[in-house]
Amino acid sequence: QVQVQESGPGLVKPSGTLSLTCSVSGGSLSSGNWWSWIRQPPGKGLEWIGRIYLSGSTNYNPSLKSRVTISLDKSKNQFYLNLNSVTAADTAVYYCANSRGYIYTWGQGTLVTVSS
Amino acid sequence: EIVLTQSPGTLSLSPGERATLSCRASQSVSSNYLAWYQQKPGQAPRLLIYGASSRATGIPDRFSGSGSGTDFTLTISRLEPEDFAVYYCQQYGSSPPFTFGPGTKVDIK
Repeated sequence: QVQVQESGPGLVKPSGTLSLTCSVSGGSLSSGNWWSWIRQPPGKGLEWIGRIYLSGSTNYNPSLKSRVTISLDKSKNQFYLNLNSVTAADTAVYYCANSRGYIYTWGQGTLVTVSS
Repeated sequence: EIVLTQSPGTLSLSPGERATLSCRASQSVSSNYLAWYQQKPGQAPRLLIYGASSRATGIPDRFSGSGSGTDFTLTISRLEPEDFAVYYCQQYGSSPPFTFGPGTKVDIK
C-alpha cells in the first residue's frame, strides 16, 4: 500500500520560502493518481493547497496561487511544495497526500513555523 | 469556490448514542463528490466516506453517509469510545480548490 512522508525544515523566517518534500513508498508516483498538499494551522481546520498529476499538470488554491509551486521528480519518487513570501499566517502542519479528489492516503504531517 | 458549512460546531453525546452531523454546500456538489474525514488529536485525518455514501476500506459499518446536491449527512449509528474526534467534510466535485468544511467536534457528554 502506498505511503507518503513529509520532510523539510521546521522553521522558516518571514519573507522566506517554505520548501517541503514528500517521499512516496510502497508504490510509484506513476500510479495514476493526484499528489496533493493540505495544511492545518494549529487548532484550526484543513486548507487544500494544491495537487499535481504525473504529467506535471497542477491545480492550486487561488488564495495561494501567486506564492505556491508544486513539482515532482519521478526518478526519486518524490513531490515537492514551495511556498514563498511566507508570514506567520503560513505556520501550520503540512500534509502530503495521495488523492482521487478525496484524500485516501495521508502523511503524518510536519509542523512548519514561520518565525524570526 | 464552494463554501462548506458544518453543524453543529460541537456535538456532546454519550457512548452508544447516535450522532448526526450535517454538511451544507453553498452550491450543488457535482456528482455528489463529497467526502468525510475523522481526525483525532495529533493525528492526520482519516478518510471515512467518499462519493457521499461509499465507505472507505476498513471503515466500520456504524459510519454511514447520505445526501445529495447541497445537503449531506454523516451518521454514526452507535458511538464507540474511539469515535470521539473532529469530523470534516470536503467537496471535490467542482473545479479546484477542493474545499473543506470547518469541522464538527464530537465530544463525550
